[in-house]
Amino acid sequence: DADVTQTPRNRITKTGKRIMLECSQTKGHDRMYWYRQDPGLGLRLIYYSFDVKDINKGEISDGYSVSRQAQAKFSLSLESAIPNQTALYFCATSDGTRGYFGPGTRLTVT
Amino acid sequence: QKEVEQNSGPLSVPEGAIASLNCTYSDRGSQSFFWYRQYSGKSPELIMFIYSNGDKEDGRFTAQLNKASQYVSLLIRDSQPSDSATYLCAVTGGATNKLIFGTGTLLAVQP
Repeated sequence: DADVTQTPRNRITKTGKRIMLECSQTKGHDRMYWYRQDPGLGLRLIYYSFDVKDINKGEISDGYSVSRQAQAKFSLSLESAIPNQTALYFCATSDGTRGYFGPGTRLTVT
Repeated sequence: QKEVEQNSGPLSVPEGAIASLNCTYSDRGSQSFFWYRQYSGKSPELIMFIYSNGDKEDGRFTAQLNKASQYVSLLIRDSQPSDSATYLCAVTGGATNKLIFGTGTLLAVQP
């Protein structure tokens, strides 16, 4: 089984809809991250969490929210999706020395 | 100024040559430095990490760190077509300890 899983893997949604992307990890890491990737812009940090009670904004948190339900679970929500949130979203975990990425969620907002 | 900067490329090298990928960072408090490889449509995978000034070698890969110059590089010896991918530099540490990526350099190894 994969160490970091993301659901769904692909999602098409309409402008204004609420959507949640979920991430689970079996690495036992405290640190978890959400990134989005756009062509030419690399990986940009949306939110990160160093434990269940620690949530921090990244570079581009506007329009997004997160929930750390447990050490192993970190969810990203788009409260009201807009087309420029169309991107590839990655969840990652880290023990502070190396990071592991999930397979990604391709989100399209029409 | 971006926190982590890389030349977007593409960097084209012939098979068997040395590929040199460079990265600069702005936070002097940064402590850990990583190189990830990402094939098109796939998730990034860690190939090297380095914490101390100097060189670190792992097989055909060598990471070089110069904290005074805020510079980290990756050398790939005997480049193979299968090395063709985007290479992402990442940095952590400093005031917030968040993991920040550069935009990546596209490497193309020509057979």
